[in-house]
Amino acid sequence: GENVEQHPSTLSVQEGDSAVIKCTYSDSASNYFPWYKQELGKRPQLIIDIRSNVGEKKDQRIAVTLNKTAKHFSLHITETQPEDSAVYFCGPNSGYALNFGKGTSLLVTP
Amino acid sequence: SQTIHQWPATLVQPVGSPLSLECTVEGTSNPNLYWYRQAAGRGLQLLFYSVGIGQISSEVPQNLSASRPQDRQFILSSKKLLLSDSGFYLCAWSGALQNEQFFGPGTRLTVL
Repeated sequence: GENVEQHPSTLSVQEGDSAVIKCTYSDSASNYFPWYKQELGKRPQLIIDIRSNVGEKKDQRIAVTLNKTAKHFSLHITETQPEDSAVYFCGPNSGYALNFGKGTSLLVTP
Repeated sequence: SQTIHQWPATLVQPVGSPLSLECTVEGTSNPNLYWYRQAAGRGLQLLFYSVGIGQISSEVPQNLSASRPQDRQFILSSKKLLLSDSGFYLCAWSGALQNEQFFGPGTRLTVL
């Protein structure tokens, strides 16, 4: 099955700094690459996704970049705010399923 | 618009007791349905998914089972709960031709 790894597992930044989380995957057939945000005690929610025919996608302060040759994609958050503190999951698809990484806990300190 | 419901929201059960968690989706037809478990501070583990009524695919061996008696209903069951079954159970749906998954509010299960 798909092997998905996220790095780092924890990340602490100061408010206003940028944060980058990387996801590597093994299934060369994956063609959908989402990032989910999960706040404490809440359900995961999609924040941005990208398909394999696009190299980069941006939505205000967040962006996702994809390197399909190297099989990794990254989440970029600029001008971080305390409300960005959460656990972030990548979940490249494999058939009908999404294979989620173990998550990255992001802490943004004021 | 589409909505997804899960109940109960929280559940405390003794070891060895049965389990039934229900998930229903409104506002769409023929969705793909998924059950995930999230242990405390851990990632999302896919347990089962279904692409149609009566069609269940299991991702990991365990003492849990899933059923899809109706198009928009997905049930997670166990005959005898183990301590290790404690966790946050999330149901999700996606469109039949889409990848994006939408999660329900979850059920927090504690097995004592």
